[in-house]
Amino acid sequence: QQQVKQSPQSLIVQKGGISIINCAYENTAFDYFPWYQQFPGKGPALLIAIRPDVSEKKEGRFTISFNKSAKQFSLHIMDSQPGDSATYFCAAYNFGNEKLTFGTGTRLTIIP
Amino acid sequence: NAGVMQNPRHLVRRRGQEARLRCSPMKGHSHVYWYRQLPEEGLKFMVYLQKENIIDESGMPKERFSAEFPKEGPSILRIQQVVRGDSAAYFCASSPQTENEAFFGQGTRLTVV
Repeated sequence: QQQVKQSPQSLIVQKGGISIINCAYENTAFDYFPWYQQFPGKGPALLIAIRPDVSEKKEGRFTISFNKSAKQFSLHIMDSQPGDSATYFCAAYNFGNEKLTFGTGTRLTIIP
Repeated sequence: NAGVMQNPRHLVRRRGQEARLRCSPMKGHSHVYWYRQLPEEGLKFMVYLQKENIIDESGMPKERFSAEFPKEGPSILRIQQVVRGDSAAYFCASSPQTENEAFFGQGTRLTVV
């Protein structure tokens, strides 16, 4: 049972463009939504996160948009750079059982 | 303040052997999570532990897999009688009590030959 659906599976964006990754969840018990960035051979690292009482959060070039009624959230990377090439995972956290559920990941490649 | 430490980074085992993966959480963190990542796939939750207690093992295979987080020492993920399908990267994450931000280790890449 996939509780957090992530798309696309892979994404190629030109340098300077906007990268957009989408996630949707089913369980309304989720109440915290982090995004993780993973480089090859490394563990995932927390990138940015949002709570459901906020519709948008921006940190530098990274923005999360959150639509509670649609149970969807997305990551936008503005002015995408080659160094942003990595795999991105959305996740949803349930404070009740303290479990983090991950999406399947998006492999992002930024080309010159 | 060292991050989450996992060892070994790479582990090769023959079919039928045992694999023991270690995870030392960040200082002050009492919650440990284990995840498995198959090639080209996402992270699958396996087990959530607090000191001396298994809180949620709903992602653990019913046989051959076990986990512990003793009062002293690292958390251990143990896989008995490994099979080729166990080949994957196993990640450990830790978090402070009641916090939702988990910090990941570098992972242990298990290869079963």
